[in-house]
Amino acid sequence: DQQVKQNSPSLSVQEGRISILNCDYTNSMFDYFLWYKKYPAEGPTFLISISSIKDKNEDGRFTVFLNKSAKHLSLHIVPSQPGDSAVYFCAASAPPSGTYKYIFGTGTRLKVLA
Amino acid sequence: GAVVSQHPSRVICKSGTSVKIECRSLDFQATTMFWYRQFPKQSLMLMATSNEGSKATYEQGVEKDKFLINHASLTLSTLTVTSAHPEDSSFYICSAGRGGEQYFGPGTRLTVT
Repeated sequence: DQQVKQNSPSLSVQEGRISILNCDYTNSMFDYFLWYKKYPAEGPTFLISISSIKDKNEDGRFTVFLNKSAKHLSLHIVPSQPGDSAVYFCAASAPPSGTYKYIFGTGTRLKVLA
Repeated sequence: GAVVSQHPSRVICKSGTSVKIECRSLDFQATTMFWYRQFPKQSLMLMATSNEGSKATYEQGVEKDKFLINHASLTLSTLTVTSAHPEDSSFYICSAGRGGEQYFGPGTRLTVT
């Protein structure tokens, strides 16, 4: 049972345009969501997170939107750069807080075309 | 800060042997570390939660006798793949919890021949 889903396995975007990566979840107990970026043969690196008490969090070129009623979150990257090409994983966790246990989605491979 | 290292980065072993992978938090103490494996083009699958000073908590379907986890100190957790088989070949990644987030190591590519 995949509690966190990323239905688009891949996405291609032109440099300078907006990249939108989507993530859906099924567990209404999830209260903290994160996006990680991963290059081949490397560990994931943290990008941005959002708590369920918010609907938007922004950090530079990265913005995460959370729609709790739809159990959907998205990551916007604007403007997209070739160096953003990687696999992006969304992750979610449920209380109790501080346990750090995350459920990861299957990832979306983003390719930014120069 | 929040650097996590793994050793080795790549290992090739023969079927039937055991392999130990180390995960270290270099600049912080981590009471909780996690072990994941990733198959090609698939998600990160959580194998177990490693708690310092206590037994690891394994996810459903993960054989605890095959994947031995030891969290001996606040900066070191080890994963030992015992009696390795070719199907154990995978990319193993550890992470350490800090401040509500996980920080990942660079991963270990295990190939069992």
